[in-house]
Amino acid sequence: GDSVTQMEGPVTLSEEAFLTINCTYTATGYPSLFWYVQYPGEGLQLLLKATKADDKGSNKGFEATYRKETTSFHLEKGSVQVSDSAVYFCALTDGSGGSYIPTFGRGTSLIVHP
Amino acid sequence: KAGVTQTPRYLIKTRGQQVTLSCSPISGHRSVSWYQQTPGQGLQFLFEYFSETQRNKGNFPGRFSGRQFSNSRSEMNVSTLELGDSALYLCASSLETLMGDTQYFGPGTRLTVL
Repeated sequence: GDSVTQMEGPVTLSEEAFLTINCTYTATGYPSLFWYVQYPGEGLQLLLKATKADDKGSNKGFEATYRKETTSFHLEKGSVQVSDSAVYFCALTDGSGGSYIPTFGRGTSLIVHP
Repeated sequence: KAGVTQTPRYLIKTRGQQVTLSCSPISGHRSVSWYQQTPGQGLQFLFEYFSETQRNKGNFPGRFSGRQFSNSRSEMNVSTLELGDSALYLCASSLETLMGDTQYFGPGTRLTVL
């Protein structure tokens, strides 16, 4: 079945540091890829998405590029802020076989210190 | 526009009981999905309802069921509760599909089974 693997956390950074959270996937078909963010005590919010190869999703300074050849969708931000501290989930939805089953990674906790 | 609302926010039940959780999607959204989030298994897809019909289903036992009403509101039921059902249950709504449309998540219902 489909799977999403993302780096284990927590990732601890100082404010203004560069962020990369790695995400790789396996899928039967041609999936859409997503990054979600979950702040403490809240539900998930869509951060960005990409629906085809080489698409770049971007939002709030975060970006990720759909790399079909390496089956990856790494999340990056040039300069993190304390307010970016949250859990980040990489996810895919694959429509192969007529079923659409969202698959999520285990989440990566990001802690940003002032 | 009001977001996805879930009630109740917290529940405590004992083993063997059953529980019903409720979700009101964003106005105009016709797809409602349910997820279980636990520290051990992460975020897992339960099922999706569209136009009062279950359209997609994850890999959960039949104790987990749901339904959707004509106004798109949805309920999820868990019968014969087990300790392992303790989790945060998230509801998400989208306009039509799980592939291209953005899913908007509610804050979740925290279920504790004693």
